[in-house]
Amino acid sequence: DTGVSQDPRHKITKRGQNVTFRCDPISEHNRLYWYRQTLGQGPEFLTYFQNEAQLEKSRLLSDRFSAERPKGSFSTLEIQRTEQGDSAMYLCASSSGTDHQPQHFGDGTRLSIL
Amino acid sequence: EDQVTQSPEALRLQEGESSSLNCSYTVSGLRGLFWYRQDPGKGPEFLFTLYSAGEEKEKERLKATLTKKESFLHITAPKPEDSATYLCAVQSVRNQGGKLIFGQGTELSVKP
Repeated sequence: DTGVSQDPRHKITKRGQNVTFRCDPISEHNRLYWYRQTLGQGPEFLTYFQNEAQLEKSRLLSDRFSAERPKGSFSTLEIQRTEQGDSAMYLCASSSGTDHQPQHFGDGTRLSIL
Repeated sequence: EDQVTQSPEALRLQEGESSSLNCSYTVSGLRGLFWYRQDPGKGPEFLFTLYSAGEEKEKERLKATLTKKESFLHITAPKPEDSATYLCAVQSVRNQGGKLIFGQGTELSVKP
């Protein structure tokens, strides 16, 4: 069990550029979550997948954000036309199929917008 | 609206000095309360799940308890390696997908 893997670990980009992050969940987990965390705050929910279906999106997820999970395996989170306010740690978590099972987190992708 | 508040925001202890961290929550039907530990530059690491008032869970020097309005994380005789940010999160029965609502965390520093 290699845990949840995220790539890249760090991303520095200029304002207005597009960025894409990848998450590989624990292999037997069918639920996958994306969260965003800023300094000194707890993670905030962005979106959730059950297998390949995106079942919930937070109002925090503007039209510039899109997430996919093709074939119910890895997931990607894309941010288009990045803004200063997008600077944060983007965390991915996965869990097995029941609601009360704990979510296991990756070490995140830290995004810095210049 | 579901909400989680943790206190204190920061806590400094001497090695061996026991203390407690508080997590107060407001949720429309609690499915579960989760404690995580987060080291700098890392993702949250799962510690405990609590489901109903009166429940307790223990792991090494940590003990988590739950009432209808709050949860405590008791740290007994802490060591410097216990230094981290401790996060509390709740799941609501209203939400089918199991998303977590987190507090802002308590940053614990244990000095030798």
